[in-house]
Amino acid sequence: EAGVAQSPRYKIIEKRQSVAFWCNPISGHATLYWYQQILGQGPKLLIQFQNNGVVDDSQLPKDRFSAERLKGVDSTLKIQPAKLEDSAVYLCASSSQTGATEAFFGQGTRLTVV
Amino acid sequence: AQSVTQLDSQVPVFEEAPVELRCNYSSSVSVYLFWYVQYPNQGLQLLLKYLSGSTLVKGINGFEAEFNKSQTSFHLRKPSVHISDTAEYFCAVISPYSSASKIIFGSGTRLSIRP
Repeated sequence: EAGVAQSPRYKIIEKRQSVAFWCNPISGHATLYWYQQILGQGPKLLIQFQNNGVVDDSQLPKDRFSAERLKGVDSTLKIQPAKLEDSAVYLCASSSQTGATEAFFGQGTRLTVV
Repeated sequence: AQSVTQLDSQVPVFEEAPVELRCNYSSSVSVYLFWYVQYPNQGLQLLLKYLSGSTLVKGINGFEAEFNKSQTSFHLRKPSVHISDTAEYFCAVISPYSSASKIIFGSGTRLSIRP
């Protein structure tokens, strides 16, 4: 079974530029999560999708972050414009359903904003 | 709402020594508990999980954890560590009974193994 795929693995941008990350979850998984992991901290949930609907985006900075999950499969997370404090690893995860017993994580995208 | 506290940010141990990584949680409802491991430049991998039943849970790589409801703890243990166990370990909780349940992570414990 293929795992959660994320791209790119690494990205360096200047502040005020925009950036987009892509995630392909495990086939058939209805729930998709985007987490932000700042160095030295645990992952923090940014947004959670159930199929192509948003379940929770309470911690997504909506003035600069946006995410979509078209057709309930792949998802993209965008930051525009980026700030220095956005430097982090962005992790995508999927599970078969909300409240499922396990979420599977991708390898993450390491973003550096300079 | 749920929360997770990992009491130690770093735990150094000698190779082949036992180790315990501590985790406490807070929740007003029943929860599922997890331990994930993150190797350098990798995503998170599930070590073990507690859903219900036996309070002692065995996972991969020789790790085990014990759920203690009265102390709201879910400590991770290994009787003899190896250099390859060097990684960051995250305790996590989820309430399976909410329509918008989400996985909440602790701040992590960095396990460093000395030869």
